[in-house]
Amino acid sequence: AQSVAQPEDQVNVAEGNPLTVKCTYSVSGNPYLFWYVQYPNRGLQFLLKYITGDNLVKGSYGFEAEFNKSQTSFHLKKPSALVSDSALYFCAVRDMRDKIIFGKGTRLHILP
Amino acid sequence: EAGVTQSPTHLIKTRGQQATLRCSPISGHTSVYWYQQALGLGLQFLLWYDEGEERNRGNFPPRFSGRQFPNYSSELNVNALELEDSALYLCASSLAGTSGSSYNEQFFGPGTRLTVL
Repeated sequence: AQSVAQPEDQVNVAEGNPLTVKCTYSVSGNPYLFWYVQYPNRGLQFLLKYITGDNLVKGSYGFEAEFNKSQTSFHLKKPSALVSDSALYFCAVRDMRDKIIFGKGTRLHILP
Repeated sequence: EAGVTQSPTHLIKTRGQQATLRCSPISGHTSVYWYQQALGLGLQFLLWYDEGEERNRGNFPPRFSGRQFPNYSSELNVNALELEDSALYLCASSLAGTSGSSYNEQFFGPGTRLTVL
C-alpha cells in the first residue's frame, strides 16, 4: 500500500542549529515529492518539490530536501534554524496514477 | 494576485444534514483539490477536479461529492453528515497537468471549518 511516513510528531531545535524533518515514502513507480508548511493561523504553503534530476532540491525560506531513492526518503533540511521556522510541516507524494498522499505532519519548534 | 478563496469560513450542521463548501481557485489554475484535515490525521485527499471533470478521489464514501464549474470554481457536498465529518476542509488549486504527470505544486485556501453536532 502506498504511504508517507513522518516518524516524528514533533522536532525541537535550538535557534541557529541545523534542522532535519524526516519523511519516508512507499509508492509504486517514480514519485513526485513535496514539502508544505502550515504556519499558525495561515494556510498551507508550498516549500519545495522533487520531480526528477538533482537529488538535492532547494526551496523557499532557505529550506532544502534530499531525495534518496534507495532509502525512499525525502528529508527536509535547513542549515541554520530561525524561530520563525516554527510551524507544522507536511511531506506529500504523488504517484504516476495521481494518488496524492500527505504525511501526518511534524511540528517543528525552534527554541530561542 | 488573489489567492485561493473558500466559503464559508465556518459551518455548523447537525447530524444527517447536508453541507456545501465552495472554493475559487487562483486565476489561471484549472485544477482544484479538496482535502479533509481532521485532528491528528493530517491531510486526507478527497477529490481532484480538472477542466470540469473528476480526475481522482481518495478513500471516502460516495456521500462526499463535488463538482467543478466552467469558471473552474468548485463545490464540495457532504451528504448525511456524521459527527466524524467535523474537520477543516481545505481546497487547493494548481496549474493544469496531464493525468500521470501532474507535478505542479498546489496553492491552498484558508479552509472551511465544518462542525457537525
